[in-house]
Amino acid sequence: LAKTTQPISMDSYEGQEVNITCSHNNIATNDYITWYQQFPSQGPRFIIQGYKTKVTNEVASLFIPADRKSSTLSLPRVSLSDTAVYYCLVGDFFGNEKLTFGTGTRLTIIP
Amino acid sequence: DAGVIQSPRHEVTEMGQEVTLRCKPISGHNSLFWYRQTMMRGLELLIYFNNNVPIDDSGMPEDRFSAKMPNASFSTLKIQPSEPRDSAVYFCASSLSGAGGNTEAFFGQGTRLTVV
Repeated sequence: LAKTTQPISMDSYEGQEVNITCSHNNIATNDYITWYQQFPSQGPRFIIQGYKTKVTNEVASLFIPADRKSSTLSLPRVSLSDTAVYYCLVGDFFGNEKLTFGTGTRLTIIP
Repeated sequence: DAGVIQSPRHEVTEMGQEVTLRCKPISGHNSLFWYRQTMMRGLELLIYFNNNVPIDDSGMPEDRFSAKMPNASFSTLKIQPSEPRDSAVYFCASSLSGAGGNTEAFFGQGTRLTVV
């Protein structure tokens, strides 16, 4: 499984766009990139998944450059409720995947 | 669907006692994961099952830990004997794997275990 590296923590003000970058230099051809969000006292929750280029849903956007060695989760106009830990996962999700979480990025939104 | 259901939500037990955590995955999902989360070690994958078969248990810390999945709708994680260092939040998650990248995992609310 490809190892991921993320910033330990980030702070941002309400209303701003937040970009969290994840490095995964040894990503394999069959690997997808998935982001999860975890609030205190809750289990992680799926945010977005992508393979290449850009993916957007109602919550976030995921930008993946052509070499796929990194990815950026973009949260538009964050609010206090976006304060959470964000995890980047990379893995081959065809069949017997192994969802391994790294240390994640602790995002704190400041009023 | 009610999502992944874990029980109990909280468990306090004395060192040396047996502890059994339970999980009911989402109906139709074929992969099930057990995680342990602590401040020091983060979110650790203990074991995962695919089609009720344990695929990788390399994360199980010791022989004191065991997990079973007797059918597609139920799994248990047992600790015997329990120790104070086992205190953590244990999460169960399920997903529909083999769907070509669509492997969103759904987590339960977790069981907060305290061993005194």
